[in-house]
Amino acid sequence: QSVLTQPPSVSGAPGQRVTISCTGSSSNIGASYGVHWYQQLPGTAPKLLIYANINRPSGVPDRFSGSKSGTSASLAITGLQAEDEADYYCQSYDTSLSGYVFGTGTKVTVL
Amino acid sequence: QLQLQESGPGLVKPSETLSLICTVSGGSISSSSYYWGWIRQPPGKGLEWIGSIYYSGSTYYNPSLKSRVTISVDRSKNQFSLKVSSVTAADTAVYYCARHNPFGDSPGFVYYYMDVWGKGTTVTVSS
Repeated sequence: QSVLTQPPSVSGAPGQRVTISCTGSSSNIGASYGVHWYQQLPGTAPKLLIYANINRPSGVPDRFSGSKSGTSASLAITGLQAEDEADYYCQSYDTSLSGYVFGTGTKVTVL
Repeated sequence: QLQLQESGPGLVKPSETLSLICTVSGGSISSSSYYWGWIRQPPGKGLEWIGSIYYSGSTYYNPSLKSRVTISVDRSKNQFSLKVSSVTAADTAVYYCARHNPFGDSPGFVYYYMDVWGKGTTVTVSS
């Protein structure tokens, strides 16, 4: 029963740009709580990709960028590479649930 | 660097209690900055937050699981644990522990992101 909605899948050719949307509401993203993004490669644990909307942890390539506007957020991957093929999840805090919520997840396929 | 490792039985019978431990190494669980939490992922599905704990023992849980979940901390062992009671097949999942790192971009307003994760442990509920 995820409260953050993502497209199930997006795809692109190597070198292209893809974006993943994360749609929430006034009780989470719209309540000024930051949005964080995680990359989950097949068979591995999630890895922090973007925190607090736009910030990249050390070691994350600048091909990955985040943005937020109103009750939605987006993750962009530019210069798509084969190694970017993974599941991506957004995450925020929800005041109605008084807890953390994850997005439904998006599978990125490199054509 | 900080590492988290989940441990516990891989198979639990229906109606019994699932018990897992997360051991923190390379840092102290008693740091006043962080929360520590559990997240699970059923086979082929997305991530679900279970609950989180502060080193002092203060907890908060996912409302959908709150009646069956207990999270506790053992500062002497640098560990925190998860118990889920009355399990069913729906509790079959990979269980992850993670550190919650604070971020504050305005006075008095802090929220957390999960910056360090364990590798996860698979728990199957079956008789």
